[in-house]
This record gives sequence, C-alpha cells and structure tokens, in this order.
Amino acid sequence: DAGVTQSPTHLIKTRGQHVTLRCSPISGHKSVSWYQQVLGQGPQFIFQYYEKEERGRGNFPDRFSARQFPNYSSELNVNALLLGDSALYLCASSSGDRQPQHFGDGTRLSIL
Amino acid sequence: GQQVMQIPQYQHVQEGEDFTTYCNSSTTLSNIQWYKQRPGGHPVFLIQLVKSGEVKKQKRLTFQFGEAKKNSSLHITATQTTDVGTYFCAGHPGTYKYIFGTGTRLKVLA
Repeated sequence: DAGVTQSPTHLIKTRGQHVTLRCSPISGHKSVSWYQQVLGQGPQFIFQYYEKEERGRGNFPDRFSARQFPNYSSELNVNALLLGDSALYLCASSSGDRQPQHFGDGTRLSIL
Repeated sequence: GQQVMQIPQYQHVQEGEDFTTYCNSSTTLSNIQWYKQRPGGHPVFLIQLVKSGEVKKQKRLTFQFGEAKKNSSLHITATQTTDVGTYFCAGHPGTYKYIFGTGTRLKVLA
C-alpha cells in the first residue's frame, strides 16, 4: 500500500505570491494534519482535518488555510508569502485523533 | 502557551554506549508519541504511551510516561550507527493537535 504522498517535493516562490500544497493520505485514513518544520526545529502544528471538517488549528496567521476533500486528500494554501514561510511542510495521516501519525516526505518551500 | 521541551539538544555517543532523551510538557498530556527523523527525512512513528507510569520496550529502546503525564523519556541501550537521527516527542494536550518537542539530535561515533 502507498504511504502518504505530498506534492510538489520542492517549490520556489517569491514574496507576496500564494502557494497550494497537496497531500494524499494512506488509504482508509480519514484524518490529515499539516505541520511546518523550520530547519533545526520540531514540526509545528498548523491544522488537523477529520471527515472534511477542521478539528484543530495551530498558532498560524489567517494567510494559512486548508481543506479536505471527499476522498480525504487535503490542500494547504498559503497567501501573501513571507520570507519566514520558508520551511518543510509536512502532511501526516492517521486513522483518527490520538492515533499514530504517518508522515509524507514533505514539500520544501523556499521564498526568495 | 503549551510547550514541550526536550533535553539534551544534542548528544554524541560512542557506538555501544547508552543514550537517553527527556521530554517535559508545561501541561498534562492525554498521550505522548515518539518519532525518529533521519537527516533529510520525515518523522517516523516509534510508539505511543497513554497510561500514567507506562513503560514500553522495543528491542533496545525503552519508553516511559511519567506518573503525572507531563514527562516522558526514551532510553536506547548499546547504541548503533543506525540509531543516528533526531528524536522527537509529541504530546497531545487533549485538544485536536500534537505539540512536538524541540528534539534531541543523536550522533553515534563508530
């Protein structure tokens, strides 16, 4: 079975642009969480979605938004990109809240 | 805000030596997970602890959850070069999110 897949793997944007990152969870997993990981730090929670509804939101500005589709795949959108948004964005799927999380390889976003 | 700290930040050991990383939360946790991230890789789930005082073992790895459910530890016996990576704890404070610790980067010298 395929693991969590994320696309694209790398992305270069300039300040002020917007970006859409995509995630396909493990088959059968209904929960998707998004994390931002800056080099040398632990992943920071951005959103959790379960059954297409937002269940949790981390301490990120409104420029960050997400959604989950009927097939449980998910998109993370970031508007008005800032230099500080440069990071590895990780998607994790699980069978539910408080269950083991399975991470994708991430999207490395660089802002110039 | 809720924080999860880990110590030490870095640890260099000789192959065969033991290694321990400690995780401390500012709030009581409903459960805690441990992950390993290799350089250039993504976090990989190791284990989940739920009960107060719980101890679980996986071969050379021993995981503990504190009685107050605010701290946890990971101990590796007789480290090997394959143990290299960053170890993160991730605490669930009871709301729909996990708070990752600051991580401990382990280097094993052959």
